[in-house]
Amino acid sequence: DAGVIQSPRHEVTEMGQEVTLRCKPISGHDYLFWYRQTMMRGLELLIYFNNNVPIDDSGMPEDRFSAKMPNASFSTLKIQPSEPRDSAVYFCASSLGLAGGQDEQFFGPGTRLTVL
Amino acid sequence: AQSVTQLDSQVPVFEEAPVELRCNYSSSVSVYLFWYVQYPNQGLQLLLKYLSGSTLVKGINGFEAEFNKSQTSFHLRKPSVHISDTAEYFCAVSYTGRRALTFGSGTRLQVQP
Repeated sequence: DAGVIQSPRHEVTEMGQEVTLRCKPISGHDYLFWYRQTMMRGLELLIYFNNNVPIDDSGMPEDRFSAKMPNASFSTLKIQPSEPRDSAVYFCASSLGLAGGQDEQFFGPGTRLTVL
Repeated sequence: AQSVTQLDSQVPVFEEAPVELRCNYSSSVSVYLFWYVQYPNQGLQLLLKYLSGSTLVKGINGFEAEFNKSQTSFHLRKPSVHISDTAEYFCAVSYTGRRALTFGSGTRLQVQP
């Protein structure tokens, strides 16, 4: 398996522009997570899905952020409009969702977003 | 709410020396504990996890961790480090009913020759 795939790997945009980050989870995984990593706040959960349904979006900063999972093999995280404080590395992760225990989350390589 | 504290932001150590990276957590419910490693410009990779059972957990690359419920700790250890262990290490928790991870702030392990 190719692992979790994220695109683009790097994104540089100007303030006010729309940004779309993409993620393809590992085939067969039922859970998909979006995390953000910054120097100030560390690694924090934005949202996660189970079988394409959002379960917890309490980490989504504000209405400028939205995430979708239209099918089991694709998810997007959109920022509109983007602001310089959104600059961060955004990670997507997926897991099998085994019953009775907490299984490993597999992380993608991340998207480094810079908003000028 | 759960929280994770990694007191050491950086740990310099010489090659072949032992190392311990500290992790403490707070939670009002039973937790699952994880250690992840992040190499430069890469995603996170699982080193080991504690779900239940034996409190001493062995992971990849010669790392191990011990769960101590009374001290709410889950410290990571390796008896002899290599240059290739230079990376950032994250302790994380989750719990039944919420699969998302809460991460500590990370510890940068710097192995010197």
